[in-house]
Order: sequence, then C-alpha cells, then structure tokens
Amino acid sequence: EDQVTQSPEALRLQEGESSSLNCSYTVSGLRGLFWYRQDPGKGPEFLFTLYSAGEEKEKERLKATLTKKESFLHITAPKPEDSATYLCAVQAYSSASKIIFGSGTRLSIRP
Amino acid sequence: SAVISQKPSRDICQRGTSLTIQCQVDSQVTMMFWYRQQPGQSLTLIATANQGSEATYESGFVIDKFPISRPNLTFSTLTVSNMSPEDSSIYLCSVDFATSSYNEQFFGPGTRLTVL
Repeated sequence: EDQVTQSPEALRLQEGESSSLNCSYTVSGLRGLFWYRQDPGKGPEFLFTLYSAGEEKEKERLKATLTKKESFLHITAPKPEDSATYLCAVQAYSSASKIIFGSGTRLSIRP
Repeated sequence: SAVISQKPSRDICQRGTSLTIQCQVDSQVTMMFWYRQQPGQSLTLIATANQGSEATYESGFVIDKFPISRPNLTFSTLTVSNMSPEDSSIYLCSVDFATSSYNEQFFGPGTRLTVL
C-alpha cells in the first residue's frame, strides 16, 4: 500500500534559523513526489515535483531533494511569511494520476 | 499552471440538505479531482472526474452521497447529499497537467462547508 509519512508534525523556528522537513514514502513505482504549501483557509499551493532519486529543485528559500525512500524540504534563513503547513504527496505510475498526501508539517517562524 | 475557482467559497447548511460545489478551470483539462480536508487533517481523494465518463470513487465514498458531474473539459460539480455534521470539511477540486516530461497538480481555493 502506498504511504506517505511526514515529520515533524510541527516545527517552530526563529527567523533566519534553517531547518529541514522530512517526507518518507512507500510507493510501487514512483511517478512523482510533490511538495505543496498550504496557508490557513486556502487550497494547497504547488511548489515542486520531483521525479527520480538525486533530483533537487529550488524556489527562493526552499530546496527539495529526493532519495529512493524520502524527500527533504530544506528551508534556508526562513522569514515569518514562510509560516504555513507544508504537504508532501506521492503519485504512482499505477494510480492514474491519483496522489496520496502526508499529514503535513506545520511550520511557524518567529520574528 | 492553471487558475481554478470554486463556488461557493463557504456555506453553512442544515442537516439533511444538499449542497452543490462548482469548480471552474481556465483551460481544458482531461482529469479533475475532488478532495476532502477534514478539520486539522490532510487531504483525502473523494473521486476522479473525467469528461464523458462516470466518476471513479475512492474507497469509503459513494456516488449516492457525492454525485459528480463533468459536463465539459473546464467544469465540474460535486454535490454533498443528505448532509450531517460529519460532512463539515473543506472540499477542494484539483486538475492534473502531465506530459511525458513533467507532472503537476493544482488546487482550487476550496469550499469550507459547515453542517449544523
């Protein structure tokens, strides 16, 4: 069964304090691993798709990496506006575009 | 990318009634998806809606409770029928853009439903 586990559940950082969020996954034939940002009361905002182990993608202060078992979302020198819930999701080749979400990491950046 | 709108953005409904949620996309897409996000939880797929065919429902979701229409390539509706307080959630539609070289899914802003 395809599964996604995110850790930690919540993370509080000081502004400028870099850290990483973890996404462990089990999937039969990875088609893509997605990262989303979700602000309260809003729909998820697409950040990245990663396709194969070793791949990295960057956007502003965010960098996503992928191995065969997990993905990391690295946040460098975060700002208070980076506070949000970050969701990881996977899609299998056999799933006909269905994606399975993890439970998310609630990130809070203190000024 | 895609611009996705949903109507209504929120509603408060009485037990036993039904609500139809609309999802409009600014470009033609083959596949549209409906998700539910219960309070404090992550997203759960309800069904996949392809134009011209019956929606495919995930385990735990049935057509009588969540009928879906997909009349064209830019529009879909989800109806939440005979509502109970347990149906209070955010309902989201999403669309899939995929080619041989990339794969992205985008979400609408969601419809926040409260059932009294």
